[in-house]
Amino acid sequence: DTEVTQTPKHLVMGMTNKKSLKCEQHMGHRAMYWYKQKAKKPPELMFVYSYEKLSINESVPSRFSPECPNSSLLNLHLHALQPEDSALYLCASSQAGAYEQYFGPGTRLTVT
Amino acid sequence: ILNVEQSPQSLHVQEGDSTNFTCSFPSSNFYALHWYRWETAKSPEALFVMTLNGDEKKKGRISATLNTKEGYSYLYIKGSQPEDSATYLCASPNTGFQKLVFGTGTRLLVSP
Repeated sequence: DTEVTQTPKHLVMGMTNKKSLKCEQHMGHRAMYWYKQKAKKPPELMFVYSYEKLSINESVPSRFSPECPNSSLLNLHLHALQPEDSALYLCASSQAGAYEQYFGPGTRLTVT
Repeated sequence: ILNVEQSPQSLHVQEGDSTNFTCSFPSSNFYALHWYRWETAKSPEALFVMTLNGDEKKKGRISATLNTKEGYSYLYIKGSQPEDSATYLCASPNTGFQKLVFGTGTRLLVSP
């Protein structure tokens, strides 16, 4: 299985809602990533987990809260988002210490 | 801050044409150079990860070269097909192999 899956595909939420994005991989990868991509811009790294521990936080606002409950799962909890947070959120994984990252198809988030 | 640039921004070719795009990156503190193909509504797909100056990699009709001393990589597509239509992204790690910085991509459209 060389797939990274993400759910949901689309999400519309209000500014007072709490929602979560989910990412799963079964390739035995021990590094997992969250990226944010705004229209016509490149993906930007948000968080990296290595061996289920947060290793990189690119100064992301606290309304985004990542969680890695086990080596196959990565969540992104969302609370009190702003309309400018509307974007495509991509998850990726890689072997520990390896360069190549495998991406999921993303969750398209709209904040109203 | 690492700056990865790609050109052209977009390209429209006819089926059978060969084409190439450029990725520029700072030549100091080089770790690796990634190329991804990203079709609409799909996951970005890793094409190549290149680490050594002078590296040349090939996957079917697609090949890439790397010059780390002058800070550029070329991606070539021989005999373009409509299914090659996608956005081609390059990325290079910044201060650590996990922190990928992406270029803005080259959007390729191949007409039958």
